[in-house]
Amino acid sequence: EVQLVETGGGLVQPGRSLKLSCVASGFTFNNYWMSWTRQAPGKGLEWVASITNSGGSTYYPDSVKGRFTISRDNAQNTLYLQMNSLRSEDTATYYCTRDLAQNWGQGVMVTVSS
Amino acid sequence: DVVLTQTPPTLSATIGQSVSISCRSSQSLLHSNGNTYLHWLLQRPGQSPQLLIYLVSRLESGVPNRFSGSGSGTDFTLKISGVEAEDLGVYYCVQGTHAPNTFGAGTKLELK
Repeated sequence: EVQLVETGGGLVQPGRSLKLSCVASGFTFNNYWMSWTRQAPGKGLEWVASITNSGGSTYYPDSVKGRFTISRDNAQNTLYLQMNSLRSEDTATYYCTRDLAQNWGQGVMVTVSS
Repeated sequence: DVVLTQTPPTLSATIGQSVSISCRSSQSLLHSNGNTYLHWLLQRPGQSPQLLIYLVSRLESGVPNRFSGSGSGTDFTLKISGVEAEDLGVYYCVQGTHAPNTFGAGTKLELK
C-alpha cells in the first residue's frame, strides 16, 4: 500500500523559513517524480513544485519560484520542501503527491502569521 | 498559464442519478508525445484528494466503474453513472501537459 506521510508544518512568522518532509513507502520511490500541492483554507488546489525521479530537475510555478526548493533523498525515501521568505498567502495545507496526482499524503498545515 | 474551467460549480443529485462534470481548457491538452495529461480527482469532506481518472479516460485502480472520463483537445467530461452517497465531495480536473500544472476550481457534488 502506498503511504505518504508529511511532517514539519506549523505556525511561522512572515519572512521566516520552514522545511516540510514526506516519507514515502509502498512503492519504489526512485522510480517516480514527486510533487507538492497546497490548498489554502476553504480554497482549491495549487501545484507548488515537482522533482524528477533522480532529483536532477525541479519545477515551480511563479508564485513560489526563488523562495521554495523541492529536493529528495532516494536512499531515505524522503521528499522535502524548503520554504523561505514565507508570506501570509502561503498559509495552506501542503500535500505530498506521487507524480502529479496519483497518490496523496494526509497533508500538513502551514500557517504564516505574526 | 492554462486555465481549466469546470462547470457546474455545484451539482445537486439524488442517489442513483447519473451526472456529468465538464472541464474546458484554454489550450489543447494534447502533448507532443501523444498523451493528454488531464486527470480527475475527488476530495471528500475532510479528506485528501484521490485520483479517479488519469489520462482522460483511464480508471485508477480500485475506483468503481460508475466513474468514466472522456474528451479530447480542450473539452473533457467526468461522468458518474448512478451517484452513491460516498461520491459526495469536490471534484477537480488537473492538467500536466503544459507548465505550470494547473487545477480547475472544483465542482461540489451534494445531495438534493
